[in-house]
Amino acid sequence: GENVEQHPSTLSVQEGDSAVIKCTYSDSASNYFPWYKQELGKRPQLIIDIRSNVGEKKDQRIAVTLNKTAKHFSLHITETQPEDSAVYFCAAKDSGYSTLTFGKGTMLLVSP
Amino acid sequence: DVKVTQSSRYLVKRTGEKVFLECVQDMDHENMFWYRQDPGLGLRLIYFSYDVKMKEKGDIPEGYSVSREKKERFSLILESASTNQTSMYLCASSSTGAGDEQYFGPGTRLTVT
Repeated sequence: GENVEQHPSTLSVQEGDSAVIKCTYSDSASNYFPWYKQELGKRPQLIIDIRSNVGEKKDQRIAVTLNKTAKHFSLHITETQPEDSAVYFCAAKDSGYSTLTFGKGTMLLVSP
Repeated sequence: DVKVTQSSRYLVKRTGEKVFLECVQDMDHENMFWYRQDPGLGLRLIYFSYDVKMKEKGDIPEGYSVSREKKERFSLILESASTNQTSMYLCASSSTGAGDEQYFGPGTRLTVT
């Protein structure tokens, strides 16, 4: 089955800095890679996703890049703000079913 | 707007009790999922269902069972709760034909004493 590794587990940045979270996956047949944000006490919510036929996708201050050859993808947040503080999960869609395998999460803390 | 609801936000049960966690979605999604979330371990898939009365084991099905009698409702059952099942349980749903995004419920914090 799919295996997703996520780094770092915690990340502290100053407001205005950039933050990068990296994930690797094992199944070369995976074709969908979402990122979820979970604020304290709330449910995970999709913030951006990318499919395997695209190398990069941007949405305002967030972007995701995908390297299919190396089987890794990354989340980039620019001009971080305190409200970006949350746990971020990467995931890869398993080939066959509509299931996702999640990374273990990155706790991002943005200090004012 | 997709809405996924779970029957309880907090639940406290005793060891050996049978526990039912219910999840309901209102968007006619085919796929439904149960995860448990533990610090440092991320979201781990317990069971999923891609149709009424269909169920498939996820990565950690031991000690759990599920039921999907209606399309909108997916139940997680702990036949005999144990302390190592103390966790946050999250339900999610997705549509087969409209992308792969999973929509999550608010979660149930289960404590087994």
